[in-house]
Amino acid sequence: GIQVEQSPPDLILQEGANSTLRCNFSDSVNNLQWFHQNPWGQLINLFYIPSGTKQNGRLSATTVATERYSLLYISSSQTTDSGVYFCAGFNNDYKLSFGAGTTVTVRA
Amino acid sequence: ETGVTQSPTHLIKTRGQQVTLRCSSQSGHNTVSWYQQALGQGPQFIFQYYREEENGRGNFPPRFSGLQFPNYSSELNVNALELDDSALYLCASSSAGGVNYGYTFGSGTRLTVV
Repeated sequence: GIQVEQSPPDLILQEGANSTLRCNFSDSVNNLQWFHQNPWGQLINLFYIPSGTKQNGRLSATTVATERYSLLYISSSQTTDSGVYFCAGFNNDYKLSFGAGTTVTVRA
Repeated sequence: ETGVTQSPTHLIKTRGQQVTLRCSSQSGHNTVSWYQQALGQGPQFIFQYYREEENGRGNFPPRFSGLQFPNYSSELNVNALELDDSALYLCASSSAGGVNYGYTFGSGTRLTVV
């Protein structure tokens, strides 16, 4: 499977701040997803975004497939945005490979 | 539309025992995959089932095995449990192998081996 590198590993934000999370892939991907893991362990699908840009409320994501990276933007962060964010992808083997995650803490 | 459901939510087993975890896929999904997530790490791919056949496997020993049933639900079986098997086990389902729409995950089963 592909190797996935996420940065930064940890992020502390003041409520209302904006932030950018990055994901680099070792090879091209034809499936790329961003997830938010809640405190109970469930992975909540944020975006399916193998290429291009998508927005959902205060969250948006951009994938530049030719350069093998994806960005997740959080705007006007809220305390409920806290948690671990994962990106994951696969190319031709259908084995979804995850990064180590970015732990986001939003302080009131 | 129901999502992915897993059972049980928590489980405590003794080293050497066997365990079976269950997963019901989301309606309309024919592919199920299983992941192991150790504390503080990202999920690791165990294997995937498509139309009742295993069609991909990660770096896990043969004591990790699985099944997919005609209704696309699935089981993960682990024999001869070891302390390092303690983890969150996640099930994910998709249609068409995750292409076009991606994977939907369940809430997981937290397994503790003592």
